[in-house]
Amino acid sequence: QVQLQESGPGLVKPSETLSLTCAVSGGSIRRYFWSWIRQPPGGGLEWIGYIYYSGNTNYNPSLKSRATISVDTSKSQFSLTLSSVTAADTAMYYCARLNWNDDPYFDYWGQGTLVAVSS
Amino acid sequence: QSVLTQPPSVSGAPGQRVTISCTGSSSNIGAGYDVHWYQQLPGTAPKLLIFGNNNRPSGVPDRFSASKSGASASLAITGLQAEDEADYYCQSYDNSLSASVFGGGTKLTVL
Repeated sequence: QVQLQESGPGLVKPSETLSLTCAVSGGSIRRYFWSWIRQPPGGGLEWIGYIYYSGNTNYNPSLKSRATISVDTSKSQFSLTLSSVTAADTAMYYCARLNWNDDPYFDYWGQGTLVAVSS
Repeated sequence: QSVLTQPPSVSGAPGQRVTISCTGSSSNIGAGYDVHWYQQLPGTAPKLLIFGNNNRPSGVPDRFSASKSGASASLAITGLQAEDEADYYCQSYDNSLSASVFGGGTKLTVL
């Protein structure tokens, strides 16, 4: 059973960079796409972007200029950095495996990590 | 504003059948992309409920089913149980955004 676990600071100051890591266990990180999704308090889900294990990436156009996703296959983990954060970036951040056999969907999710942007 | 439109809330009594709609456009559901559904129980992460329009992952009861027609899709829950009280999200792919897109979510209340 694939398991994902997010980690990172729970508090980030405005204008600084948010950095999160997702550890993958119970399965290989290779030959799959891996994604970040966020959910503001009381709000809906927003896809941030994905990375293929080889390093190819794609991002939500609304975040593209600020989001960067990287992968470290040797550590079986992938990471998200989001620059120039504001209060609007306060959210629960989830990592997930993106299954793309036909049309993409998220079949395994982490438990999420809450990030607050505040001075 | 979410790319996919869902009703904010639905409700039903135990044992009843409820449906949740998900309306898209010609760049996502209407373009033929599959619709997937997620269940988010209070205080937990979303869980895949239906994939590829109407396929259930192992462990999901057959009380849950889904369908798609044109640019819309719907999730049906029969034999409603108290444990079904949760938020439900639809998701598809949008070729104009080159992005996975979600509905705004529907809160199901079991009366």
